[in-house]
Amino acid sequence: GESVGLHLPTLSVQEGDNSIINCAYSNSASDYFIWYKQESGKGPQFIIDIRSNMDKRQGQRVTVLLNKTVKHLSLQIAATQPGDSAVYFCAENIDGTSYGKLTFGQGTILTVHP
Amino acid sequence: DGGITQSPKYLFRKEGQNVTLSCEQNLNHDAMYWYRQDPGQGLRLIYYSQIVNDFQKGDIAEGYSVSREKKESFPLTVTSAQKNPTAFYLCASSIRDRKKETQYFGPGTRLLVL
Repeated sequence: GESVGLHLPTLSVQEGDNSIINCAYSNSASDYFIWYKQESGKGPQFIIDIRSNMDKRQGQRVTVLLNKTVKHLSLQIAATQPGDSAVYFCAENIDGTSYGKLTFGQGTILTVHP
Repeated sequence: DGGITQSPKYLFRKEGQNVTLSCEQNLNHDAMYWYRQDPGQGLRLIYYSQIVNDFQKGDIAEGYSVSREKKESFPLTVTSAQKNPTAFYLCASSIRDRKKETQYFGPGTRLLVL
């Protein structure tokens, strides 16, 4: 889930387990959502996106679920690997306003233990 | 090799000094963005530009300035008016694709105050 203050939520899993990272977004008018992965000292890397006319989208080892009723987004990572260890951010956008301006969550730290 | 480049990777600023961070992209993206990231926090938008010779203030523009003279380049100047400049600075760019704006990020510049 989203953090309060300076303490990011953390998720620790064993290699091979499935991971679920949650995000509560703020604006009911948001209609486009992105998950990013950020490794230490690097820029965020695009993982997967979803538009509000969908409730599920799958990629390679990742699935994003969108629940518009409760304004909740989740990222599922299958068979988590040590290389998946990073901070994961969700971002939301309202189409048609401020040309691509995204609002980011504070992030969740995922640690994968071998 | 296409992408977004930022330089330098590390930058040191003395008291009262202006410093400029470089961001270049060869993705032919129209829009470019500058974000600031502080420890344990999400990304906050400083400035963005939708088109050459035009830019808009983001949420935390005070103490910063930008220019967009070329489509490929969007330099950020951290002025002496920015009293707490120590942070990780991220540049991004995007192109409109079927009404969704996916932003892609550079590797970042870490700014430290001497």
